[in-house]
Amino acid sequence: SQTIHQWPATLVQPVGSPLSLECTVEGTSNPNLYWYRQAAGRGLQLLFYSVGIGQISSEVPQNLSASRPQDRQFILSSKKLLLSDSGFYLCACYRGRGTEAFFGQGTRLTVV
Amino acid sequence: SQQGEEDPQALSIQEGENATMNCSYKTSINNLQWYRQNSGRGLVHLILIRSNEREKHSGRLRVTLDTSKKSSSLLITASRAADTASYFCATDDRMDSSYKLIFGSGTRLLVRP
Repeated sequence: SQTIHQWPATLVQPVGSPLSLECTVEGTSNPNLYWYRQAAGRGLQLLFYSVGIGQISSEVPQNLSASRPQDRQFILSSKKLLLSDSGFYLCACYRGRGTEAFFGQGTRLTVV
Repeated sequence: SQQGEEDPQALSIQEGENATMNCSYKTSINNLQWYRQNSGRGLVHLILIRSNEREKHSGRLRVTLDTSKKSSSLLITASRAADTASYFCATDDRMDSSYKLIFGSGTRLLVRP
């Protein structure tokens, strides 16, 4: 089974600072990768997904961007953080119908 | 877009009781999955039920699916304090050459010792 590594686990950043969250995958090749954001006590909002190197699709226009420089690496970035970017960010790997998704342990981002 | 919506939003029960959570969805599905999330952690897959299945069991978990009503339920029998977590249903949506999982808003379950 796949293992998803996310870091850091927690992050406190000032408004206007840049952001880089990294996600790496072990145990599979050519995975479909996803970034979700979760507000406190709420469900998951899909932000970006990628089906391969350099291929990024955005679900929600916002202050964030994503990149996939390597097959098993997915990065979430921002040039200037906003207060509204605070939340719990989850990286996931999902191969499609009839399979289960694997999640990282998440990064809790607080923008102050 | 929200595909799955769980009900209730929060549930508090005594240890040993059964917990039932419901999920409704909007479009036709190939399968429906349930996930568990401990506070501040990632989601863990619990069980998957395909559209041609009506019921599925895994240990103390029982999932039902009614495609005519576009609904599913997750039953946890003989609950334990360790079952305290949030539970989400998820369906997949076709997108270009791949699929994306869409999650509901979740049910927060508290099992009191």
